Amino acid sequence: QKEVEQNSGPLSVPEGAIASLNCTYSDRGSQSFFWYRQYSGKSPELIMFIYSNGDKEDGRFTAQLNKASQYVSLLIRDSQPSDSATYLCAVNSGGYQKVTFGTGTKLQVIP
Amino acid sequence: NAGVTQTPKFQVLKTGQSMTLQCAQDMNHNSMYWYRQDPGMGLRLIYYSASEGTTDKGEVPNGYNVSRLNKREFSLRLESAAPSQTSVYFCASSGGLEQYFGPGTRLTVT
Repeated sequence: QKEVEQNSGPLSVPEGAIASLNCTYSDRGSQSFFWYRQYSGKSPELIMFIYSNGDKEDGRFTAQLNKASQYVSLLIRDSQPSDSATYLCAVNSGGYQKVTFGTGTKLQVIP
Repeated sequence: NAGVTQTPKFQVLKTGQSMTLQCAQDMNHNSMYWYRQDPGMGLRLIYYSASEGTTDKGEVPNGYNVSRLNKREFSLRLESAAPSQTSVYFCASSGGLEQYFGPGTRLTVT
């Protein structure tokens, strides 16, 4: 079982819709959760992090964490073609070296 | 403020050649990391340095060595390159848990 799992996609949504990206993790002791956006041929860029159960909003982005279900999600409201990228979920299980990345979900926003 | 910089951007090596990938950060971060990214495999940690003067192995250290030259610089060396080391290499730094990535080096070993 992979430590951090994401559906590889592609997830296609029309422009203006809500995109929902999901991530599950296996280590119940995980404390910190991150979402990175990676455009094709570019490096990952941090867009959100969440430490506590519940929702965290930042502009059009909302991260949702449910530790009991070992599930973290990213919602993108009013999706734009510029949001088309691969979204990486990352989970920290303690210590600087313990950040595990998922393989990413490719999002396509159709104009 | 350049963030994290990496050189070179692209490199082609023949099997058995050696090279060093350079990384520098200007954010005064204590921790630095080297990852490789392969299709379908995600980002995998090669080595990390929690602070100046310390380095530790990550998930896939075989075939690599690192040097934390000072707080700013963290280099990755391939002593005898193999085709299996063809990948995109990212350096990252962090002052807490959030990591910030450099632009990457695309390495091809023939």
